[in-house]
Amino acid sequence: DSGVTQTPKHLITATGQRVTLRCSPRSGDLSVYWYQQSLDQGLQFLIQYYNGEERAKGNILERFSAQQFPDLHSELNLSSLELGDSALYFCASSPRGAGGRETQYFGPGTRLLVL
Amino acid sequence: QKEVEQDPGPLSVPEGAIVSLNCTYSNSAFQYFMWYRQYSRKGPELLMYTYSSGNKEDGRFTAQVDKSSKYISLFIRDSQPSDSATYLCAMKGASNTDKLIFGTGTRLQVFP
Repeated sequence: DSGVTQTPKHLITATGQRVTLRCSPRSGDLSVYWYQQSLDQGLQFLIQYYNGEERAKGNILERFSAQQFPDLHSELNLSSLELGDSALYFCASSPRGAGGRETQYFGPGTRLLVL
Repeated sequence: QKEVEQDPGPLSVPEGAIVSLNCTYSNSAFQYFMWYRQYSRKGPELLMYTYSSGNKEDGRFTAQVDKSSKYISLFIRDSQPSDSATYLCAMKGASNTDKLIFGTGTRLQVFP
């Protein structure tokens, strides 16, 4: 158990809908990362937050947004969902967000299925 | 061309075999190299972490980085059925804003 929690574990929704994925980092970790994992693209970095502020952005679609709250939990919002958004979404956390010098600990993921 | 290339496998070996997993990369700025193990329907867990070139050993696992060839390897000795998983290489540069780039993963199956 990495100490990172994600809810829900599974989500089934329809195209055009909006969903929110939630992540609680390990105790004491200030940085949260969101990743998308699909069969054809592998694990893709979406966005990073450090202590409530956006620190780095990857290939995150404009339909997706995220935020990190004062208690350090983070939410990833996915809107106008398309079939191609079906994937595993992982959250990871690290102590200070100091890039490669730190280990990222991954949560169990949320499996999203868009029908 | 992807920044990180990894053979997806699957790689099937008998119990006790030595397993070699590899990744190549194109970005010479990468400084930190990691191997993650991902069991089915689970999140990736960090196995090995290496900075710059060289070898690192941890139990049955050895990670090697050859920056001159832009090539990294993970060796698993005395492989066990419990090692059956997908192995992801990952790497990044030195900046705090550099993102972690993952390979697509190699699926390993160790049969008894």
